Amino acid sequence: QVQLVESGGGVVQPGRSLRLSCAASGFTFSKYNMHWVRQAPGKGLEWVAVISHEGSNVGHADSVKGRFSVSRDNSNSTLFLQMTILRPEDTAVYYCAKDIGGPLADWGQGTLVTVSS
Amino acid sequence: EIVVTQSPAALSVSPGERVTLSCRTSQSVTSNLAWYQQKPGQAPRLLIYTASTRATGVPARFSGSGSGTEFTLTISSLQSEDFAIYYCHQYAHWPLYNFGQGTKLEVK
Repeated sequence: QVQLVESGGGVVQPGRSLRLSCAASGFTFSKYNMHWVRQAPGKGLEWVAVISHEGSNVGHADSVKGRFSVSRDNSNSTLFLQMTILRPEDTAVYYCAKDIGGPLADWGQGTLVTVSS
Repeated sequence: EIVVTQSPAALSVSPGERVTLSCRTSQSVTSNLAWYQQKPGQAPRLLIYTASTRATGVPARFSGSGSGTEFTLTISSLQSEDFAIYYCHQYAHWPLYNFGQGTKLEVK
């Protein structure tokens, strides 16, 4: 069955960087576009970034554009989110999700990022 | 950017009732709209995609309708496990996807 396991979250000071990973298994990772979606404590879902299946096309939400960068390693079935110049408002649970042609059919359990001094 | 607006923000309902949730987009997304259910402490779960197609394993009491800019999610007879937050999500304009702010179903 599909498994998505995020890691790399933690507490980080404002202005610092963090790299999240999402290890995928149970499907042919290289055939699917992948997304990052975040959820601030007590708030709704916010789409963050998408990367095409082969990695050549990406998109980022305006709120993170220029600071966050999505990438992938298809040889190791892993998705990444490089986050720089972190702000307190980036505090959230970060989910990776598998795109089945638009809808996000499978989600990881998320990793918590806390930006605080 | 397409704005996605859900209404109401919260709804108090009794088990067994029929409930309809609304989602509106600021421009047409044709049928490129999905609905998700999220329970506390859990990841979202895909319920409906292409506006009206139930995802695998989703009970028949969940149905979606609409196209263009107006969409609804209907739960025909609320069960106790359906009390959760529901989000709609437009995916018409790759790569910029976005979600509505959610509707919370609460027990009356």
